[in-house]
Amino acid sequence: QKEVEQDPGPLSVPEGAIVSLNCTYSNSAFQYFMWYRQYSRKGPELLMYTYSSGNKEDGRFTAQVDKSSKYISLFIRDSQPSDSATYLCAMSDNQGGKLIFGQGTELSVKP
Amino acid sequence: SAVISQKPSRDICQRGTSLTIQCQVDSQVTMMFWYRQQPGQSLTLIATANQGSEATYESGFVIDKFPISRPNLTFSTLTVSNMSPEDSSIYLCSVERQDRGLYNEQFFGPGTRLTVL
Repeated sequence: QKEVEQDPGPLSVPEGAIVSLNCTYSNSAFQYFMWYRQYSRKGPELLMYTYSSGNKEDGRFTAQVDKSSKYISLFIRDSQPSDSATYLCAMSDNQGGKLIFGQGTELSVKP
Repeated sequence: SAVISQKPSRDICQRGTSLTIQCQVDSQVTMMFWYRQQPGQSLTLIATANQGSEATYESGFVIDKFPISRPNLTFSTLTVSNMSPEDSSIYLCSVERQDRGLYNEQFFGPGTRLTVL
């Protein structure tokens, strides 16, 4: 069993839709939960991080962590074509160092 | 943030040869990482490279296959040795910047796309 599971998609939605991306994990030691966005032919860039359980909002993006269920989500409101990318969840049991990534979900937002 | 460049951006190599990938950062950083992103797979950490010490390799990766150098605080190289088609992948370096907040963000380079024939 992989430490982090993520539906690879692809996921296609119309512009303006609400997008929900999810990951599950098995290691209860994870404390830091990240979402990265990766455009084609580029390296991943950090969108948001959350420490422990709870919600975090940044503009159109909301990250949720439920440690009791070992489940994290990223919601994108009013999705735009520029949001089309691969979204990777990542986790760590430490403030820095090794990251464990999900497989990535490929998202396409159609105008 | 950190600006990271990698060379080459892509290469096609023959089986049995070796390729050295360079990673350059625009500022001094303590910790650098090398990841592999195979098609349809998640990013996987190969090793952590701290300046002045030997690289620390993750399970399943060995120094003979992936030797790493870290001569200073802005540069590192990863060599993929005796390549086989299974080494075809994207190789990314990343650096960690200590934040005033809770989390030390990792910044990634654009990656090196390697195809082994």
